[in-house]
Amino acid sequence: NAGVTQTPKFRVLKTGQSMTLLCAQDMNHEYMYWYRQDPGMGLRLIHYSVGEGTTAKGEVPDGYNVSRLKKQNFLLGLESAAPSQTSVYFCASSYWTINTGELFFGEGSRLTVL
Amino acid sequence: KQEVTQIPAALSVPEGENLVLNCSFTDSAIYNLQWFRQDPGKGLTSLLLIQSSQREQTSGRLNASLDKSSGRSTLYIAASQPGDSATYLCAVTIIQGAQKLVFGQGTRLTINP
Repeated sequence: NAGVTQTPKFRVLKTGQSMTLLCAQDMNHEYMYWYRQDPGMGLRLIHYSVGEGTTAKGEVPDGYNVSRLKKQNFLLGLESAAPSQTSVYFCASSYWTINTGELFFGEGSRLTVL
Repeated sequence: KQEVTQIPAALSVPEGENLVLNCSFTDSAIYNLQWFRQDPGKGLTSLLLIQSSQREQTSGRLNASLDKSSGRSTLYIAASQPGDSATYLCAVTIIQGAQKLVFGQGTRLTINP
């Protein structure tokens, strides 16, 4: 059981380049999330999805786009990368009900923008 | 705006000691609180989840408590081991359009052999 898988694990970009991070989960979870983790800032929610075909903005959505065309996949795109987007990105998923909601995380994608 | 604080930011203790990690939150309107463990260069692993109606949860040597009215949670680790060394994060679930987690910045724990 793979759980939550993120690709790629590492990437270096030049300012202005674009890229897509892929998150895949095999737990049939409805909810999926993209977070970024920065020193001194903790984890901050970028975008999330409550089901296939839906997406919504989180706390820090600017400069990112997402898509959830299939239930098991959640893509995070950077159209024009900036040095401020250098971070570690985490995808997470959950099978949500009000009384459960345990979150499962991927191992992270480390992005450096030069 | 919900804010989650974890103090101390770092803690170092000898092996075998019992220890307590603290988490506080500013708004008691939460659905649950989770404690996570993060090893260097790795993702987060959920340790314990406490529903807002519960007071505590236990898993092995870990015990987490929740006092919603005072906005506090503690994670108690009994008989600490070097393998417990990691960063521990707490997060509360709130409703803002949809369910969202607000994380603390974590406590980096080092257990010395």
